[in-house]
Amino acid sequence: DSGVTQTPKHLITATGQRVTLRCSPRSGDLSVYWYQQSLDQGLQFLIQYYNGEERAKGNILERFSAQQFPDLHSELNLSSLELGDSALYFCASSSGGSSTDTQYFGPGTRLTVL
Amino acid sequence: DAKTTQPTSMDCAEGRAANLPCNHSTISGNEYVYWYRQIHSQGPQYIIHGLKNNETNEMASLIITEDRKSSTLILPHATLRDTAVYYCIVRGPGYALNFGKGTSLLVTP
Repeated sequence: DSGVTQTPKHLITATGQRVTLRCSPRSGDLSVYWYQQSLDQGLQFLIQYYNGEERAKGNILERFSAQQFPDLHSELNLSSLELGDSALYFCASSSGGSSTDTQYFGPGTRLTVL
Repeated sequence: DAKTTQPTSMDCAEGRAANLPCNHSTISGNEYVYWYRQIHSQGPQYIIHGLKNNETNEMASLIITEDRKSSTLILPHATLRDTAVYYCIVRGPGYALNFGKGTSLLVTP
């Protein structure tokens, strides 16, 4: 158990809908990262937040957005969902803002778009 | 970040040492070598990382060659629960972990 929690575990929704995925980092960690894992793309970095502020952006679509709240939990919002958004979404956390801090991953949310 | 090359798959007998190689010939001086594994569709699990020196923890050992162009992850006594995809990641001063395709390790009884 990494100490990172994610809810829900599974989510099934329809095209065009909007969903919110939630992540609670390990106690004391200030950074949260979001990754997407699909069958054809592998694990891809989406975005990172550090202490409430956006720190780095990866291959995140404009239809997706994220935020980190004062209690340090984070939410990833996915809107106008398409079939291709079906994937595993992982959250990771690390202690600080250093780019070489070790990241610890949560169990993931499996999103299925029908 | 430097590119890594790993074998697609490997087998190991239970109880034996599993030695997983990784080539990273374009690694820069400030880039670390990280190893993660993913068991089925669970979240990636951190194993170990190093810069120049060999490293050991309760899970594994990491051997980095002197020229840093390759490394080997060693699981000293593999068990069935070590069956997973193992990712070797060279990480520079950036925030993303760039996972490649990894090595699928199958531990057999």
